[in-house]
Amino acid sequence: RKEVEQDPGPFNVPEGATVAFNCTYSNSASQSFFWYRQDCRKEPKLLMSVYSSGNEDGRFTAQLNRASQYISLLIRDSKLSDSATYLCVVNKGGHNQGGKLIFGQGTELSVKP
Amino acid sequence: DGGITQSPKYLFRKEGQNVTLSCEQNLNHDAMYWYRQDPGQGLRLIYYSQIVNDFQKGDIAEGYSVSREKKESFPLTVTSAQKNPTAFYLCASRAITGTAVDTQYFGPGTRLTVL
Repeated sequence: RKEVEQDPGPFNVPEGATVAFNCTYSNSASQSFFWYRQDCRKEPKLLMSVYSSGNEDGRFTAQLNRASQYISLLIRDSKLSDSATYLCVVNKGGHNQGGKLIFGQGTELSVKP
Repeated sequence: DGGITQSPKYLFRKEGQNVTLSCEQNLNHDAMYWYRQDPGQGLRLIYYSQIVNDFQKGDIAEGYSVSREKKESFPLTVTSAQKNPTAFYLCASRAITGTAVDTQYFGPGTRLTVL
């Protein structure tokens, strides 16, 4: 089983749609969770951290379920500019891991006019 | 401007040659990381360093070497022992504040092609 697994995608949605990405992680000791966005042939950039209580940033909402080891990202009112690959990222967890992060393989989103 | 720079952006290498990728940061971050990304795959950790003159192997260190002589710099050498070096190489850094794991910030990457 992969340490971080995401929906395989790609997701093709029309402008204005709501789209949800799911992610599961295997290490129950993980404490930090993130969603990164990666545009084609560019570096990943932090979209948002994910907190236990859930958090929202404009059109983006992230949720964490520690019991199920599950993370989600909801994008409302999709824009063309949201087209990218979304990476679910989890810290390695446990002691002496040096802040290592584990990256999911990414879910590609394509928003069409 | 504060940030992470990587050079070169594109690099072509002949088989059997070693090549060094540069990574510099002026964010005063303690920890630095090297990842490789292959098409359609997630990032995989090659090496990381939390302090000057110290570094640890990541998940795929074979065929690579690093040094951390200065806080700002963490160059990666891809040696001829690396069997499949063509990939997108990403450098990242983060502060260490002693609380929750801090965010990693990435440089723009170097795209290495072995001819």
